[in-house]
Amino acid sequence: DTGVSQNPRHKITKRGQNVTFRCDPISEHNRLYWYRQTLGQGPEFLTYFQNEAQLEKSRLLSDRFSAERPKGSFSTLEIQRTEQGDSAMYLCASSLAFGNQPQHFGDGTRLSIL
Amino acid sequence: GENVEQHPSTLSVQEGDSAVIKCTYSDSASNYFPWYKQELGKGPQLIIDIRSNVGEKKDQRIAVTLNKTAKHFSLHITETQPEDSAVYFCAAPRQNTGNQFYFGTGTSLTVIP
Repeated sequence: DTGVSQNPRHKITKRGQNVTFRCDPISEHNRLYWYRQTLGQGPEFLTYFQNEAQLEKSRLLSDRFSAERPKGSFSTLEIQRTEQGDSAMYLCASSLAFGNQPQHFGDGTRLSIL
Repeated sequence: GENVEQHPSTLSVQEGDSAVIKCTYSDSASNYFPWYKQELGKGPQLIIDIRSNVGEKKDQRIAVTLNKTAKHFSLHITETQPEDSAVYFCAAPRQNTGNQFYFGTGTSLTVIP
């Protein structure tokens, strides 16, 4: 079991730049989730996929954020025109699809906006 | 998370003592409650979970209890060790969603050797 893999682990960029993160879920998991976590808080849901379909998006996900999972395997999260407030840890998780299932998290991508 | 409250926010215990962390939830339809441990620089790691058809589940030094009537669930760690020091999060599912969770705000546990 290789677990959920995220890269890069750290990203530092200037305000206004675009960034893209990648998540590789556990291979047999057909649900994939993106969360954002700021210091001292629990993860906050952003969006999730079942296979290649993006089924739900949080109100936290502004128009500058877009996520894809084109082949139902890995996923990318892109943030356009980054702002200071986007600085956070972006976590990916995956799970099986039926009922309430344990979500397994990657180690996240820490984004710092200069 | 707006539907899950977690207490305390920080907890210090002597090595060997027990630690208890409590969470309350608001959605009576919630039926699955995981606990996660997060170490510095890492993602949350699932350590134990419980479904609403049982009141208690135990795995070695870790146990979780669930009171559906009062809508609260607790994590119990016995015989604490320094490596138990981490931030612990509880979670509960959002109503009518595809397995989305509300997370608590976390408890920073320090085990003093």
